[in-house]
Amino acid sequence: GENVEQHPSTLSVQEGDSAVIKCTYSDSASNYFPWYKQELGKGPQLIIDIRSNVGEKKDQRIAVTLNKTAKHFSLHITETQPEDSAVYFCAASARGGADGLTFGKGTHLIIQP
Amino acid sequence: SAVISQKPSRDICQRGTSLTIQCQVDSQVTMMFWYRQQPGQSLTLIATANQGSEATYESGFVIDKFPISRPNLTFSTLTVSNMSPEDSSIYLCSGRTSGSIGELFFGEGSRLTVL
Repeated sequence: GENVEQHPSTLSVQEGDSAVIKCTYSDSASNYFPWYKQELGKGPQLIIDIRSNVGEKKDQRIAVTLNKTAKHFSLHITETQPEDSAVYFCAASARGGADGLTFGKGTHLIIQP
Repeated sequence: SAVISQKPSRDICQRGTSLTIQCQVDSQVTMMFWYRQQPGQSLTLIATANQGSEATYESGFVIDKFPISRPNLTFSTLTVSNMSPEDSSIYLCSGRTSGSIGELFFGEGSRLTVL
């Protein structure tokens, strides 16, 4: 089955700086890669996703890159703000996400004022 | 998008008892899933809830321990049976609507503590 590794487990950055979270996956059949943000006491919320037919996708301050050859994908957050503080999870799925997702272990992002 | 409501939001349970978590979606979903998130950990897929038939369980999860029902497109239940302290977790319901290709929506979770 799929295995998703995520690094780092904790990331502390100064407000206004950029944050990068990296994930690798094992199943070459995976073709859908979402990122979720989970705030304390809440369920995960999708913030951006990418499919295997593109290499990069942007949405305002958030971007995701995908390298299918190396089987890794990354989340980039620019101009970080205090409200970006949360736990971020990457995930992977085959069949375009039709099956359940396999999640990474999560990154606790801390934005220092 | 879809709004997913779960109840109870939290509960404290005694060892050996069972608890049923309900999940209601505000729009028809094609797929519903149940996940477990142990304290400070990632999400692990328990099973896919199939409408009108038996759920499809992931490795390490069995129907006797986690019976699941999905009588219609917008409602599902997960029962945690014969609970032990190791079952203390957040249980999350998720669903995908026909209009969202791949996107999974999550409920707020049900936090269970087993004493």
